[in-house]
Amino acid sequence: KAGVTQTPRYLIKTRGQQVTLSCSPISGHRSVSWYQQTPGQGLQFLFEYFSETQRNKGNFPGRFSGRQFSNSRSEMNVSTLELGDSALYLCASSLGQGGTGELFFGEGSRLTVL
Amino acid sequence: AQSVAQPEDQVNVAEGNPLTVKCTYSVSGNPYLFWYVQYPNRGLQFLLKYITGDNLVKGSYGFEAEFNKSQTSFHLKKPSALVSDSALYFCAVRDEPGNMLTFGGGTRLMVKP
Repeated sequence: KAGVTQTPRYLIKTRGQQVTLSCSPISGHRSVSWYQQTPGQGLQFLFEYFSETQRNKGNFPGRFSGRQFSNSRSEMNVSTLELGDSALYLCASSLGQGGTGELFFGEGSRLTVL
Repeated sequence: AQSVAQPEDQVNVAEGNPLTVKCTYSVSGNPYLFWYVQYPNRGLQFLLKYITGDNLVKGSYGFEAEFNKSQTSFHLKKPSALVSDSALYFCAVRDEPGNMLTFGGGTRLMVKP
């Protein structure tokens, strides 16, 4: 069974640009969560989608947005990039929303903003 | 509100010795607790979880964790550390089925030969 796939793995952008990251969950998983990982802030929750609906949202500005498609694939977008957006963005999938199930993580998309 | 604390940024242990990585949590209801491990330039891998039942939970790679409700702790343990256990370890908690998973700040485990 294929794991969670995130693309691209690495990307470099400049301030003011926008970026779209993609996540394909494990087959059959309907919930997708996004996290931002930085050395200073650790793992910060961005949002969670289940059945194409955003179910939870973290404390990030409106520049960060996401969506989920009918096949459970998800994308997140960051507009007007800032230097502080440089981070590893991790996507995780699970069978259902929250509950007792663990999350399965992809290897992440490492974004560098210059 | 739910939160997790990992009081040690780094834990150093010699190979073959027992290891403990500490985690304390704060929730309003019953906690669902998880441990994850992250190797360099990789995503997080699930190690084990506590949902209910036996306070001692066994997981992958010989790791186990003990749930202590009175101390609100969920420490990760392994009887004999390996150099290959060196990695970043995260504790996480969820207190309601519909809530997101909240992670601690992570603890770097260094196992020296």
